[in-house]
Amino acid sequence: AQTVTQSQPEMSVQEAETVTLSCTYDTSENNYYLFWYKQPPSRQMILVIRQEAYKQQNATENRFSVNFQKAAKSFSLKISDSQLGDTAMYFCAFTWGVLIQGAQKLVFGQGTRLTINP
Amino acid sequence: NAGVTQTPKFQVLKTGQSMTLQCAQDMNHEYMSWYRQDPGMGLRLIHYSVGAGITDQGEVPNGYNVSRSTTEDFPLRLLSAAPSQTSVYFCASSHRGNYGYTFGSGTRLTVV
Repeated sequence: AQTVTQSQPEMSVQEAETVTLSCTYDTSENNYYLFWYKQPPSRQMILVIRQEAYKQQNATENRFSVNFQKAAKSFSLKISDSQLGDTAMYFCAFTWGVLIQGAQKLVFGQGTRLTINP
Repeated sequence: NAGVTQTPKFQVLKTGQSMTLQCAQDMNHEYMSWYRQDPGMGLRLIHYSVGAGITDQGEVPNGYNVSRSTTEDFPLRLLSAAPSQTSVYFCASSHRGNYGYTFGSGTRLTVV
């Protein structure tokens, strides 16, 4: 079975600081994708960043980057120059499948509540 | 482009009542799925569909039914609501061969 674990239920940092959210996963699959989703108070699920397991290079999206350690099954999210608008729940998620099928299911971690303080 | 539309946004049910949560997407996505979100547990898959006429169970299917008669719609039916079904429900869709899901805005359901 595929599992995703986020060990930090809550985190809090000052505006402009850098923060790293942790995520570990367990799978025997070879072809999989990892995601970080942001859920602000509006409840909307917003894709922040994704990483293909076959790519060695870590994904980056502006102030968001990941540290993907495949052997350790670790997938952390780094937010640089944090902003008040980054305050949200962050979910790590995992999906797998052959390339032609694409993602049929997502498995989520428990979430990390991140607060950016002014 | 509306994306994934869920209705209603809020609902209160009495124990034993039935209802249908609606989900529609206008992106011609083959895959659709329903998740429930409970505090401290993330999102868990209820049912999913890989195309019209094809559905399958996820991690927590008991008490819920689905059908997919068209590509666009994927309703979730609660047969006899129970307080344990109090949750936030999300519908999501994706293209076959793509690894990105688009989520609806969610339905907050309270069963009293």
